Amino acid sequence: DVKVTQSSRYLVKRTGEKVFLECVQDMDHENMFWYRQDPGLGLRLIYFSYDVKMKEKGDIPEGYSVSREKKERFSLILESASTNQTSMYLCASSSLGGTELGYTFGSGTRLTVV
Amino acid sequence: QKEVEQNSGPLSVPEGAIASLNCTYSDRGSQSFFWYRQYSGKSPELIMSIYSNGDKEDGRFTAQLNKASQYVSLLIRDSQPSDSATYLCSVILDGATNKLIFGTGTLLAVQP
Repeated sequence: DVKVTQSSRYLVKRTGEKVFLECVQDMDHENMFWYRQDPGLGLRLIYFSYDVKMKEKGDIPEGYSVSREKKERFSLILESASTNQTSMYLCASSSLGGTELGYTFGSGTRLTVV
Repeated sequence: QKEVEQNSGPLSVPEGAIASLNCTYSDRGSQSFFWYRQYSGKSPELIMSIYSNGDKEDGRFTAQLNKASQYVSLLIRDSQPSDSATYLCSVILDGATNKLIFGTGTLLAVQP
């Protein structure tokens, strides 16, 4: 069974901490994505990557960075966590021409910044 | 104007009825459309995809696409309480990168 695995289900961090959210997929997908989901705002794209070491800003990249050193792993980094980054973070992957398959999502990380 | 718009609901239907979920999108160039189901506290899961005008059926689900009207819908026949979830409409705006834009979702409640 294909999977996208996010390292933590729940995370509590303090304001100002550097936070790493990890995502690993076992489907050999080229594309990987990080979204955050907030009530009333839906899923908003933070960053995406279509190849190793490649990254593109999404709609809300401020305060975040990403790293993709290996094809299967895509990390989201909160450089200095703030309370307005409290959210559900969802990682997804898709194949390059995978319009028929859409995205496969990880189970999400609920991050609370205190 | 939001790129993908959905009525947030809740949409309440009795068990056994047809649930109709609607979505409009702003970019006429969009080619690929998806419906995801998201249970409370869970991540979205893909239930339907559609690329051509018309209807596409899969079990109790039917997706409908009208590109001229920039309109996508999802019909759920014989609705069950287990169908109660938020349904997310999504559109690929950029075929080169496969970047999906999501609506905010419609909450469906199926009453036993």
